[in-house]
Amino acid sequence: DQQVKQNSPSLSVQEGRISILNCDYTNSMFDYFLWYKKYPAEGPTFLISISSIKDKNEDGRFTVFLNKSAKHLSLHIVPSQPGDSAVYFCASIWAGAGSYQLTFGKGTKLSVIP
Amino acid sequence: DSGVTQTPKHLITATGQRVTLRCSPRSGDLSVYWYQQSLDQGLQFLIQYYNGEERAKGNILERFSAQQFPDLHSELNLSSLELGDSALYFCASNLRGGNQPQHFGDGTRLSIL
Repeated sequence: DQQVKQNSPSLSVQEGRISILNCDYTNSMFDYFLWYKKYPAEGPTFLISISSIKDKNEDGRFTVFLNKSAKHLSLHIVPSQPGDSAVYFCASIWAGAGSYQLTFGKGTKLSVIP
Repeated sequence: DSGVTQTPKHLITATGQRVTLRCSPRSGDLSVYWYQQSLDQGLQFLIQYYNGEERAKGNILERFSAQQFPDLHSELNLSSLELGDSALYFCASNLRGGNQPQHFGDGTRLSIL
């Protein structure tokens, strides 16, 4: 039972254009969402987060949008740069479960083409 | 550099053996989490410790155990190893264990031959 789904295993984008990575979740109790970026041979690096009481959070070139009614979030990267090429993981937390464990999607590999 | 240190980086062993993976959290972080990333399963939560006490358990096998020591470093013990235990094991930490980003180490790659 996959509670966090990233349905696109890969995405290719031209340098300078917008990258949009999508994530769907099934558990309506999730109340905090995060995006992590992972390079090969490194651990996931925290990128940006959003609380369920918001619908948008911005940090430089990265913006996360949350649509609670659709149980959908997306990460926008504008403009995309070759250094953004990595695997992006969407993750959620349900604080009410008594633990703050991250539930991860399986990731989307982003390739930014120069 | 996340500030989370995991050793060793690579571990190769045989079925039936026992290994210990070590994690030093970021300075000041009280909460430590362990995750397993296998090829087809993605990152799966195993267990969480907060200030020396077990806080939560996820999909952790009975053959696996962990502890957090007074200096806050943590160890994950894997015993009676099976081929299917081959995976990347990540440790993460944060300050209080709440709704805060967790910061990950670079992982230990465990290969069972």
